[in-house]
Amino acid sequence: SYELTQPPSVSVLLGQTASITCSGDKLAEKDVSWYQQKPGQSPVVVLYQDRKRPSGIPERFSGSNSGNTATLTISGTQAMDEADYYCQAWDRSGVFGGGTKLTVL
Amino acid sequence: EVQLVESGGGLAQPGGSLRLSCEVSGFSFNTYEMNWVRQAPGKGLEWVSYISSNGSTKFYADSVKGRFTISRDNAKNSLYLQLNSLRAEDTAVYYCARVRPPGYYMDVWGKGTTVTVSS
Repeated sequence: SYELTQPPSVSVLLGQTASITCSGDKLAEKDVSWYQQKPGQSPVVVLYQDRKRPSGIPERFSGSNSGNTATLTISGTQAMDEADYYCQAWDRSGVFGGGTKLTVL
Repeated sequence: EVQLVESGGGLAQPGGSLRLSCEVSGFSFNTYEMNWVRQAPGKGLEWVSYISSNGSTKFYADSVKGRFTISRDNAKNSLYLQLNSLRAEDTAVYYCARVRPPGYYMDVWGKGTTVTVSS
């Protein structure tokens, strides 16, 4: 079965740029979505089709997908961005990465 | 306002059954594909099942195949997940989510319903 791999944790200084990676075999051939989940809340999509932002998602969220790796980038990270982030793709079934806890220092 | 409201969770014994429901409002349910996603306590998200807009196509995670059944009633704006032969590892919050093509991402999520499997 298809697998997506994320680092368990990423730390970033307030106002700096955070990057969260998601790796999978030939991932660039798939559409990748990214979800933000804060404690006690339901997930919220922050990017879809690798780099598109739903309405209401700040411009500081951006994405890329090349080769075997997709990347979620948060520029000018704010305290409110501290959350768990999950990548997701479709490969004859839905697949989520294991999630990355983003800590804003 | 677009809303998804799950219900039906609770305590079940190993080997038991539950039926989860997801009632939707604020959009044309019969034109959207839907997913169930679960999250075990302290763990990550796990996709569980997918159903097409007319209910003719269904997919399941290997972990639930043969035990769970997804269905929908477009006349009642409702999505369902029948959980049979429950195991301790099925303990989780179960979310329903609206699917948007292309990319099959999930743009609207419910608040979830909690399933606990324990004797």
